[in-house]
Amino acid sequence: GDSVTQMEGPVTLSEEACLTINCTYTATGYPSLFWYVQYPGEGLQLLLKATKADDKGSNKGFEATYRKETTSFHLEKGSVQVSDSAVYFCALRSGGSEKLVFGKGMKLTVNP
Amino acid sequence: GAVVSQHPSWVICKSGTSVKIECRSLDFQATTMFWYRQFPKQSLMLMATSNEGSKATYEQGVEKDKFLINHASLTLSTLTVTSAHPEDSSFYICSATKTWTDSNQPQHFGDGTRLSIL
Repeated sequence: GDSVTQMEGPVTLSEEACLTINCTYTATGYPSLFWYVQYPGEGLQLLLKATKADDKGSNKGFEATYRKETTSFHLEKGSVQVSDSAVYFCALRSGGSEKLVFGKGMKLTVNP
Repeated sequence: GAVVSQHPSWVICKSGTSVKIECRSLDFQATTMFWYRQFPKQSLMLMATSNEGSKATYEQGVEKDKFLINHASLTLSTLTVTSAHPEDSSFYICSATKTWTDSNQPQHFGDGTRLSIL
């Protein structure tokens, strides 16, 4: 079945450090890929998405590129802020399906 | 926007009681709503998929009689945890999509309900 594997952390960074959260997937067909963020005590918010190979999703300084050849969707940010402290989930949805499959999530803490 | 409201945000109940959690799409019609359970430091586990006007589809291992789901309108789905016990304590999250026929539509999540059973 479909699955998502991502870095689990937790990870602690200093403000302005670079961030990469690895995410790889296994799926049949051509899935849509998502990154969701969960701030403390809140539900999930869509951070960015990509629906086909080579698409780049971006939002709030975060980027991720849909790499079909490596089945990856790594999340990157050049300079993190304290406000980026949250749990980040990589997810996929296979074509024709309405279900999301999530990775285990990675907790990021950014210190000033 | 696409706002999903979940209520209550936090509930504490005695063992044996039933608890109802509401999930509402405030500014769009949601053909499909999803219910997830999140254990501490773990990912979201899909419990069931709820389509308006029809019976919910439960994931393997989820007790239908324990977790009753009703999706009576295009803006409201409810999850009732019946005869709740301490092991049912968890963070329950709902999500909704605007239309299930468009696979590019993302799911919009509520803020979650923290359920504590004493």
